[in-house]
Amino acid sequence: GAVVSQHPSRVICKSGTSVKIECRSLDFQATTMFWYRQFPKQSLMLMATSNEGSKATYEQGVEKDKFLINHASLTLSTLTVTSAHPEDSSFYICSAHGPRDEQFFGPGTRLTVL
Amino acid sequence: AQSVTQPDIHITVSEGASLELRCNYSYGATPYLFWYVQSPGQGLQLLLKYFSGDTLVQGIKGFEAEFKRSQSSFNLRKPSVHWSDAAEYFCAVGPPSGGSYIPTFGRGTSLIVHP
Repeated sequence: GAVVSQHPSRVICKSGTSVKIECRSLDFQATTMFWYRQFPKQSLMLMATSNEGSKATYEQGVEKDKFLINHASLTLSTLTVTSAHPEDSSFYICSAHGPRDEQFFGPGTRLTVL
Repeated sequence: AQSVTQPDIHITVSEGASLELRCNYSYGATPYLFWYVQSPGQGLQLLLKYFSGDTLVQGIKGFEAEFKRSQSSFNLRKPSVHWSDAAEYFCAVGPPSGGSYIPTFGRGTSLIVHP
């Protein structure tokens, strides 16, 4: 079946640094990928839609200069959290449209900003 | 705008008992409907989905869900719960749009299984 991977699975960084999270579709091509943020015990909130070869579309309230998204190829999208602060600590999940008109989710990345 | 309501934040059942998780949606037409499961610290796994056709949908791990248009519901059921079913369950709705969609998620229901 279709698989989406994320790297790293966990990252701890100091406040003010930038962190890059990768999302890969391993056995299918994805022209569109999605980035979600999940707070503890809460649902997934869509942050942005990542489009291969073009700019990402951000949801209302999401700072595009804070959360940089690059969809450089049909199998890779990256989310960079710039100048991270403790309030950016969260669980970040990506997904991609795959075969059978289904969304496939990555395992998530736990970001902790100290 | 589409929305999903999962009225139960927590559900506690005994192992071997039956389970029903509730989901109601709001959408102008028949949407795509999904149930996902999330184990602690993990991503989401699709349990089942409804696009069209038979309103009783069978999924993985012994789960099923029934689409009831008159009640705008898509409740998830399992006849006999196993301890490994303890997890967070999310109902999601997505409007059909040229074969692609962006799901809107409910807030989730946490399933606790007692031995």
